[in-house]
Amino acid sequence: DTGVSQNPRHKITKRGQNVTFRCDPISEHNRLYWYRQTLGQGPEFLTYFQNEAQLEKSRLLSDRFSAERPKGSFSTLEIQRTEQGDSAMYLCASRPPGARSPLHFGNGTRLTVT
Amino acid sequence: GQQLNQSPQSMFIQEGEDVSMNCTSSSIFNTWLWYKQDPGEGPVLLIALYKAGELTSNGRLTAQFGITRKDSFLNISASIPSDVGIYFCAGEPGATSGTYKYIFGTGTRLKVLA
Repeated sequence: DTGVSQNPRHKITKRGQNVTFRCDPISEHNRLYWYRQTLGQGPEFLTYFQNEAQLEKSRLLSDRFSAERPKGSFSTLEIQRTEQGDSAMYLCASRPPGARSPLHFGNGTRLTVT
Repeated sequence: GQQLNQSPQSMFIQEGEDVSMNCTSSSIFNTWLWYKQDPGEGPVLLIALYKAGELTSNGRLTAQFGITRKDSFLNISASIPSDVGIYFCAGEPGATSGTYKYIFGTGTRLKVLA
């Protein structure tokens, strides 16, 4: 049983650099979510996709952030011109079809911006 | 971003004791989820609740969907050292508000003393 896979697990980058994270959801799940989690806080919603369509974006997702899910399978989250405040755990979750269904999370990508 | 209120924020208990925690919202939810997160890992789903008043168990864990649909409760019976971690609730407004994102609580940090 393959769960949600995220790569890389850790990323250290210098301020101003661009970074890209990848998420591979559970295969039969049509919905994919990105969350951000800072130390001591719960996950905060960033955006979600149903198949390849991006249906909702949080105000937390500034214009430096972009997410894609080109073929309705894996997704990428790119952060341009990283800032120290972007340091966080970026969590991806997928969800099967149906109005009432839970999120299944990956183990996240820990980003540190120096 | 918006987060739900969880109580207590943290708790230290003796092994064998029962634990209770709750989560409250100012708005109505159609689904409540409970997760456990270990350091450096993604949240792991414990229990999903889909109906007001519903009481669901998973081993030593029992969770309830509040009648008002604005709260949920999680109980752990006979705690053991591996119960240590952070417990998060998550709620989804669903069709009532036209959004299908889960909002997370602030977390309850549990430490079990052997």
